[in-house]
Amino acid sequence: EIVLTQSPATLSLSPGERATLSCGASQSVSSSYLAWYQQKPGLAPRLLIYDASSRATGIPDRFSGSGSGTDFTLTISRLEPEDFAVYYCQQYGSSPQTFGQGTKVEIK
Amino acid sequence: EVQLLESGGGLVQPGGSLRLSCAASGFTFSSYAMSWVRQAPGKGLEWVSAISGSGGSTYYADSVKGRFTISRDNSKNTLYLQMNSLRAEDTAVYYCVKEAYCGGDCRTPSEFDPWGQGTLVTVSS
Repeated sequence: EIVLTQSPATLSLSPGERATLSCGASQSVSSSYLAWYQQKPGLAPRLLIYDASSRATGIPDRFSGSGSGTDFTLTISRLEPEDFAVYYCQQYGSSPQTFGQGTKVEIK
Repeated sequence: EVQLLESGGGLVQPGGSLRLSCAASGFTFSSYAMSWVRQAPGKGLEWVSAISGSGGSTYYADSVKGRFTISRDNSKNTLYLQMNSLRAEDTAVYYCVKEAYCGGDCRTPSEFDPWGQGTLVTVSS
């Protein structure tokens, strides 16, 4: 199975700053079938990005995804207070689909 | 609006059984594959099982194969997860998720959207 490694584990930033989250895959992700999810405490994950770079419905344009092959990035251009959360990447090009271990974006 | 509502979680002893349900609304249920994803307390996400729109094809993570059974009743717009021989490591919040459109007995590579609110399963004596 494809192992996804997210870095850093924790990102400490201030509102208004730019956040760059990385997701590395142990093998190439087929057809850039990679998604990003946001999860806040006590809530279910929410889809942000699919197919590596397509924003899900209703997601603000400060969220963007990029990458291909084994290296992917989620960028939040300017952090809003509601963006402090845990972010997971997921590959769904190979079975079983797998998730990264998560990156926590916390207020500095 | 697409809605997924899980139920059936609770406390069960090791070796016991539990059946989870997920009531779906707001879309043509039989045209979409569905999955269960779980999250152990304080941990990350793990895909558990999936089923095609018609219910003819099922898929399992190695960690639950032979113990869990996924099924669906398209006449009731409901997804199920029968969990047998439960272990302490099965303790988690279980989420029902919708996959991409794939009418019939098929499953296409898909992100998970949306997610239900989750139901907590605790396996402990």
